[in-house]
Amino acid sequence: EADIYQTPRYLVIGTGKKITLECSQTMGHDKMYWYQQDPGMELHLIHYSYGVNSTEKGDLSSESTVSRIRTEHFPLTLESARPSHTSQYLCASSEKGRTDTQYFGPGTRLTVL
Amino acid sequence: KNQVEQSPQSLIILEGKNCTLQCNYTVSPFSNLRWYKQDTGRGPVSLTIMTFSENTKSNGRYTATLDADTKQSSLHITASQLSDSASYICVVSDRGSTLGRLYFGRGTQLTVWP
Repeated sequence: EADIYQTPRYLVIGTGKKITLECSQTMGHDKMYWYQQDPGMELHLIHYSYGVNSTEKGDLSSESTVSRIRTEHFPLTLESARPSHTSQYLCASSEKGRTDTQYFGPGTRLTVL
Repeated sequence: KNQVEQSPQSLIILEGKNCTLQCNYTVSPFSNLRWYKQDTGRGPVSLTIMTFSENTKSNGRYTATLDADTKQSSLHITASQLSDSASYICVVSDRGSTLGRLYFGRGTQLTVWP
């Protein structure tokens, strides 16, 4: 089982709130990713990072932002949550040179009322 | 356009029965293909990985096949168990970009009934 953790696992909040989804891994992986997944749909890459101080936007446009100050930590922030942000958010990581081998966290199920 | 299509979308079988899930892809240039199992409310966990030169690979009761010529893969589950109930996702990796993109199918939702 992969050593990648996400908190909270479930979050229900009201519109307009600022939230931060936490993701951490203890494998020393350089690359980290955030995916968004709606029920019955494929995973969509929204952010990724090659390493400390590196962040890039993924394929799916997202109003969220990310930071990578430490290798093991890759938090995702929504400044003002809206109902359209309701989704499952999955964090993943991979070691340098092995982008195809990604280890996924358990996910955060976000519901914005 | 690089795509991964899976069928069926959902499947219900009785415990102990076998089943086969299908995956067709158009990803090019192809690097490898993985099957993931995703339990409800959890992240995907890799079951098998296959490269261009491999046409079959087993992991316990799971057997994956790959036909790189027709760009098709299948995942066969033998003697299904209740714990096999999950979404099975086909993921294809390309080798044509620095990032090494992953292309995800929408998954097949398998339900095993007692």
